[in-house]
Amino acid sequence: AQSVTQLGSHVSVSEGALVLLRCNYSSSVPPYLFWYVQYPNQGLQLLLKYTSAATLVKGINGFEAEFKKSETSFHLTKPSAHMSDAAEYFCAVSDGNNRLAFGKGNQVVVIP
Amino acid sequence: GAGVSQSPSNKVTEKGKDVELRCDPISGHTALYWYRQSLGQGLEFLIYFQGNSAPDKSGLPSDRFSAERTGGSVSTLTIQRTQQEDSAVYLCASSPPRGSGANVLTFGAGSRLTVL
Repeated sequence: AQSVTQLGSHVSVSEGALVLLRCNYSSSVPPYLFWYVQYPNQGLQLLLKYTSAATLVKGINGFEAEFKKSETSFHLTKPSAHMSDAAEYFCAVSDGNNRLAFGKGNQVVVIP
Repeated sequence: GAGVSQSPSNKVTEKGKDVELRCDPISGHTALYWYRQSLGQGLEFLIYFQGNSAPDKSGLPSDRFSAERTGGSVSTLTIQRTQQEDSAVYLCASSPPRGSGANVLTFGAGSRLTVL
């Protein structure tokens, strides 16, 4: 079964600094990988997805992620944090059968 | 509708009572999912419906939990004899048919359940 590991439940970043959220996956088949963001009292919103096309995936709000098969990773980055990036971020993996396995999430705090 | 709609948004109940949570998916989406989000636990898969196929119930934590999907559209998640550990946010999601953006789930805002 597929699974995802996200380390560090809370991540603090200064406004204007690099945002880096790490995601490592485990899957017995070529995976589909996703990053979702959840703002307070809202559902999850898709940031970006990897589906075996380009390994560098660009998403909304200036975020991007790079699929590295050799490292089984799909880390999320944004060059310059904005106050509006404060939210919870979830990495997820699917084996193509439409059942997503989510990581425990990273709560991002942006420090002015 | 334009998005996935869930009701109620908040539910407070007493231990031992039954609760029903409703999900109205995006029109045309054949797949529907229920997840549970507990503090610090991430999202826990509960159940998955795909068209007319038998649902994947492998994530339901106990026989107090059940779900149905009527007419391939609206779904109801029922929790019988609620316990305090059932307190969580219950998220519903739907996705299009395979081959047309499948694997991208659109989530509702969730139903927050508090069991006293």
